Amino acid sequence: SAVISQKPSRDICQRGTSLTIQCQVDSQVTMMFWYRQQPGQSLTLIATANQGSEATYESGFVIDKFPISRPNLTFSTLTVSNMSPEDSSIYLCSVGQSETQYFGPGTRLLVL
Amino acid sequence: GQNIDQPTEMTATEGAIVQINCTYQTSGFNGLFWYQQHAGEAPTFLSYNVLDGLEEKGRFSSFLSRSKGYSYLLLKELQMKDSASYLCAVNLEDSWGKLQFGAGTQVVVTP
Repeated sequence: SAVISQKPSRDICQRGTSLTIQCQVDSQVTMMFWYRQQPGQSLTLIATANQGSEATYESGFVIDKFPISRPNLTFSTLTVSNMSPEDSSIYLCSVGQSETQYFGPGTRLLVL
Repeated sequence: GQNIDQPTEMTATEGAIVQINCTYQTSGFNGLFWYQQHAGEAPTFLSYNVLDGLEEKGRFSSFLSRSKGYSYLLLKELQMKDSASYLCAVNLEDSWGKLQFGAGTQVVVTP
């Protein structure tokens, strides 16, 4: 099974600032995904991080707000830009492997 | 739109059996996942069904009927540690990872 790590595990940020979240996988994977879980809610897909091309965003999410990098097959970053309290969520990285979809431990973000 | 429905909460006694139902109406379907999520933790993979029928893994079983847009997760011999949220998720496309999640079912196991 894939082992996924994320940094930071949690952060408290001020309104208007940006935070970059890192996701590292212990094996090469074709596609990596970023999800968000708002307080008391289920998971929502933000975007697919494609290696060698721009990320593909889901409806309601835009590149200016959530820029994504995917420099290689084991690593991706998600930036939450110009944060507001509504961005307070858990952000999770996910990869698919052998008919299984794994999730990282998540980054808990609180915006004040 | 995508609709994935599951009950909000279920309560059961330690040692009992609980069945969590999930119905879906989605634009695409390439399999259905069940995840367990304890409070403050990331979801943990439980099962994946792409063909009709029952898949059994120890105390947990998952069933799928594609024609009915229906799945269930069966938890047997409940233990206190099974108290968690259980998430049903549909893989929407042929490629992996584009999951549409239900709201989750909070299972409370009582002594």
